[in-house]
Amino acid sequence: QKEVEQNSGPLSVPEGAIASLNCTYSDRVSQSFFWYRQYSGKSPELIMSIYSNGDKEDGRFTAQLNKASQYVSLLIRDSQPSDSATYLCAVYSGGSNYKLTFGKGTLLTVNP
Amino acid sequence: DAGVIQSPRHEVTEMGQEVTLRCKPISGHNSLFWYRQTMMRGLELLIYFNNNVPIDDSGMPEDRFSAKMPNASFSTLKIQPSEPRDSAVYFCASTEGGNEQFFGPGTRLTVL
Repeated sequence: QKEVEQNSGPLSVPEGAIASLNCTYSDRVSQSFFWYRQYSGKSPELIMSIYSNGDKEDGRFTAQLNKASQYVSLLIRDSQPSDSATYLCAVYSGGSNYKLTFGKGTLLTVNP
Repeated sequence: DAGVIQSPRHEVTEMGQEVTLRCKPISGHNSLFWYRQTMMRGLELLIYFNNNVPIDDSGMPEDRFSAKMPNASFSTLKIQPSEPRDSAVYFCASTEGGNEQFFGPGTRLTVL
């Protein structure tokens, strides 16, 4: 059974700090990796996708992928209170069905 | 361009009643997914369609749940009869032949 594991948190960081969110996955053939942000009472919103080993930067967000270690992370630089949300890691393991496996999410709180 | 549309946004019903949730995917998207989210179990995939055809319904919890996609722009998820343990937020998501899924606002279902 394919599994995606995340630390449920809560992860609490001060405003301006770097928040580091981590995710591990069990299926070695996983191909695509996604980070979704979900504010309380709202739907998941796609914020980052990464497909190859290394880093991918988009503004204050950096996704890091290490397929050998089956590990993907999301770094948020200069954290803002508006970043406070649950962050969901999702993994696609191939095939034509586009099915994603989601982790249970990490709750991030950024304190002013 | 409109995103994924779901209705109703909130539904309160009594145990034993039939519940129908509706979803309109993003125009041009050919895959549609129904998810259920609870605090205990996180985000669970119930069923997904590709080109209006159900591909995998292994996540549907019981025969009380059924889903249809009569055309490319409309899908329904029906629960009959509903039970209190069905209370959750139900999300619909769509994708255009890729892995990046876009979520609707969700339907918060409460079964009394």
